[in-house]
Amino acid sequence: EAGVTQFPSHSVIEKGQTVTLRCDPISGHDNLYWYRRVMGKEIKFLLHFVKESKQDESGMPNNRFLAERTGGTYSTLKVQPAELEDSGVYFCASSQLWEAGNTEAFFGQGTRLTVV
Amino acid sequence: AQTVTQSQPEMSVQEAETVTLSCTYDTSESNYYLFWYKQPPSRQMILVIRQEAYKQQNATENRFSVNFQKAAKSFSLKISDSQLGDTAMYFCAFMKRSPNYGGATNKLIFGTGTLLAVQP
Repeated sequence: EAGVTQFPSHSVIEKGQTVTLRCDPISGHDNLYWYRRVMGKEIKFLLHFVKESKQDESGMPNNRFLAERTGGTYSTLKVQPAELEDSGVYFCASSQLWEAGNTEAFFGQGTRLTVV
Repeated sequence: AQTVTQSQPEMSVQEAETVTLSCTYDTSESNYYLFWYKQPPSRQMILVIRQEAYKQQNATENRFSVNFQKAAKSFSLKISDSQLGDTAMYFCAFMKRSPNYGGATNKLIFGTGTLLAVQP
């Protein structure tokens, strides 16, 4: 079974440019999460999808960030325009719905974004 | 709001020795989960061990075990017989326990991580 995959693995862009990160969750996982780790700090929650709907986007830093989840499958996170402080590693995670008590979230390898 | 603190940015251990990584957390919730995740140099984060707060018995997974002290809000990870493959960043994480159908997010709250190096 394929795990959570993220593209690209690394992106270097100039300040002011646009970048789109993609996450393909594990098939059948309705929950999809985006997290971000800024260098040396904790991993912080950005937002949560249940299928195609945004359940919680309280962690999104500002309106330069836009997340979508087409048809409840893959998700994209677009940063436009990118600022220096957006640099970090962006993680995607997916999990099953939790009625059965399954709490494990599976993570992708992350996208390292560097804004110069 | 919940917070997770890992006070050891880096640790080192000799192969075959035992090491303990510390984690404390703060919450007013009574039902929650605690996790240790491992992120090897290849960067994919994987779940090491999980503890349900209502369970008094400490979780174990092979060489990995936890010391869960609910009153003290402490959740340390012990790695026995350390192996070179244990070299990784270790993150402690908290999650409030609630079902999806209640509209809950069930997001993870992470600490800053501990970089563990296992020396040959």
